[in-house]
Amino acid sequence: GQQLNQSPQSMFIQEGEDVSMNCTSSSIFNTWLWYKQEPGEGPVLLIALYKAGELTSNGRLTAQFGITRKDSFLNISASIPSDVGIYFCAGQLTSGSRLTFGEGTQLTVNP
Amino acid sequence: DAGVIQSPRHEVTEMGQEVTLRCKPISGHDYLFWYRQTMMRGLELLIYFNNNVPIDDSGMPEDRFSAKMPNASFSTLKIQPSEPRDSAVYFCASSLGTGFHIQYFGAGTRLSVL
Repeated sequence: GQQLNQSPQSMFIQEGEDVSMNCTSSSIFNTWLWYKQEPGEGPVLLIALYKAGELTSNGRLTAQFGITRKDSFLNISASIPSDVGIYFCAGQLTSGSRLTFGEGTQLTVNP
Repeated sequence: DAGVIQSPRHEVTEMGQEVTLRCKPISGHDYLFWYRQTMMRGLELLIYFNNNVPIDDSGMPEDRFSAKMPNASFSTLKIQPSEPRDSAVYFCASSLGTGFHIQYFGAGTRLSVL
């Protein structure tokens, strides 16, 4: 089945630093999604990407849909303590098909 | 607007007991999903419904697990009998058909089977 490899598994950064994480797949996806999960809560959708090469921003977050359709990237600029959480990528092959989630990147921001 | 509501938030039970998890999706959403999250396996889709009908239950681990959606505003996930390896966080999510992939998650039920 499809698998998503997310890296890094964890990051420890200082407040104000920029963050980059990525997700790669052995097969293509036609939709890429990025979710954030805070402790004790469910994942919350941050950004959805629909087209190869697409670059989309949501505040300090920017995500890109890789041109090969097999990867996606998430950048967070000028991190703040409330960015702490687990960031998940998810891919969807076709409209209406199940989402495949990555293993998550645990982000810790030191004030 | 209220989000997806799950109950209970925490459940501790003993091996062999029946466990029922509950979910109220966002009003108007026609898709409902049940996920399980563990350290070892990450976030796995167990089953999903469209208009109260189960569409894909291939992720349900075994016959001990069952899910129902008697109406558009309520779903249950039942484990009978429960085993320690069922310990996990179970999430319910819902979405609109036009945005199937834009799933809104509940806060989850943390299940511990002793």
